[in-house]
Amino acid sequence: AQSVTQLDSQVPVFEEAPVELRCNYSSSVSVYLFWYVQYPNQGLQLLLKYLSGSTLVESINGFEAEFNKSQTSFHLRKPSVHISDTAEYFCAVRPLGAAGNKLTFGGGTRVLVKP
Amino acid sequence: EAQVTQNPRYLITVTGKKLTVTCSQNMNHEYMSWYRQDPGLGLRQIYYSMNVEVTDKGDVPEGYKVSRKEKRNFPLILESPSPNQTSLYFCASSLDSNYGYTFGSGTRLTVV
Repeated sequence: AQSVTQLDSQVPVFEEAPVELRCNYSSSVSVYLFWYVQYPNQGLQLLLKYLSGSTLVESINGFEAEFNKSQTSFHLRKPSVHISDTAEYFCAVRPLGAAGNKLTFGGGTRVLVKP
Repeated sequence: EAQVTQNPRYLITVTGKKLTVTCSQNMNHEYMSWYRQDPGLGLRQIYYSMNVEVTDKGDVPEGYKVSRKEKRNFPLILESPSPNQTSLYFCASSLDSNYGYTFGSGTRLTVV
């Protein structure tokens, strides 16, 4: 079984400041890792994912996440946030292979960007 | 446009009145899944399907049913809804286990 912990339920941040959203997971098998974003009154959108290869992955809108196997973490960062980044962010894991039907989510981190 | 379509977007119903939330995807995905989202709990899987006529329980299946008669459709059925099923529901689909899921826009259900 897998579990995902997002350590901060809310993160207020000023516009143009950096932000880091923390995600730790536990799993008895190898997993793929994902970050999803949910804008107000919308569904979830895939922000970025780690499947294999370089442990640093980037999204098209300036977010990046680093997979750390020894610390079982997949923290999300952005060096300079915009008002439009106000949303809820979910970290998720999915086991590799035939058992990979299920995406297990963390509780979410609500980011509020202030002008 | 590749998408997952859920209907309805909003639904208010009374306890015990059977309802169905429809879900359809146009990407020929094999995997489909239903999640419910509740504050502080993130998203929890209700049921999933790995292909036509293959379904299985997720973490919170009690009070729900699903069917997968066609690859594109995966309806969620509440035979006798109760107030604790008031939630935001998402349908999602995925090509296979090496990909993330694509989510629908959600169905906000209120059971009174």
